Amino acid sequence: AQTVTQSQPEMSVQEAETVTLSCTYDTSESDYYLFWYKQPPSRQMILVIRQEAYKQQNATENRFSVNFQKAAKSFSLKISDSQLGDAAMYFCAYRSSNFGNEKLTFGTGTRLTIIP
Amino acid sequence: DTAVSQTPKYLVTQMGNDKSIKCEQNLGHDTMYWYKQDSKKFLKIMFSYNNKELIINETVPNRFSPKSPDKAHLNLHINSLELGDSAVYFCASSQEAGRGNSPLHFGNGTRLTVT
Repeated sequence: AQTVTQSQPEMSVQEAETVTLSCTYDTSESDYYLFWYKQPPSRQMILVIRQEAYKQQNATENRFSVNFQKAAKSFSLKISDSQLGDAAMYFCAYRSSNFGNEKLTFGTGTRLTIIP
Repeated sequence: DTAVSQTPKYLVTQMGNDKSIKCEQNLGHDTMYWYKQDSKKFLKIMFSYNNKELIINETVPNRFSPKSPDKAHLNLHINSLELGDSAVYFCASSQEAGRGNSPLHFGNGTRLTVT
């Protein structure tokens, strides 16, 4: 079974600075997908960014980018120019490409605080 | 237009009661899920349906019974509610099986409180 580990329960960053959230995962599969979701206090689950394991290029979405290291099974999220609206719980998630096992497996989350 | 909608948003009930949570998606997705988020914010899969067929059933008590009348709806019925069932329940949907790069789209969650 796949597992996802987020070793930082809480992080904080000054507004306008850059922060990196860590995520590692364990799998024996070679083809899979990785995601970062954001959950603000409204409790909505919002997709931040996704990465296909077969792609070497790191995904970017505006101020959000990932550092995907397949051999190390690492998938960190970098948030540049942090804004107050970035304050939320961030969840790293793994999704198998195998039919019948396509659930998202989540890490335990990192609570990000933005300091004005 | 809400993509994945679940009702109710809040549910407060007493131990031993039976309750249902409804979920509907208008994205044309084939696969729907129920997740449970506990008090520590941990999200765990409960069930997954693809085209009305159950494909994932994690270790969930028999008191929880999902029902999918069609591929746009996935309801969750809970019998004999217990204190430990208090949590936020999320419904989600995604594109058809085999399209793993498709993200899950989540509803806004139902906060269930059992007293």
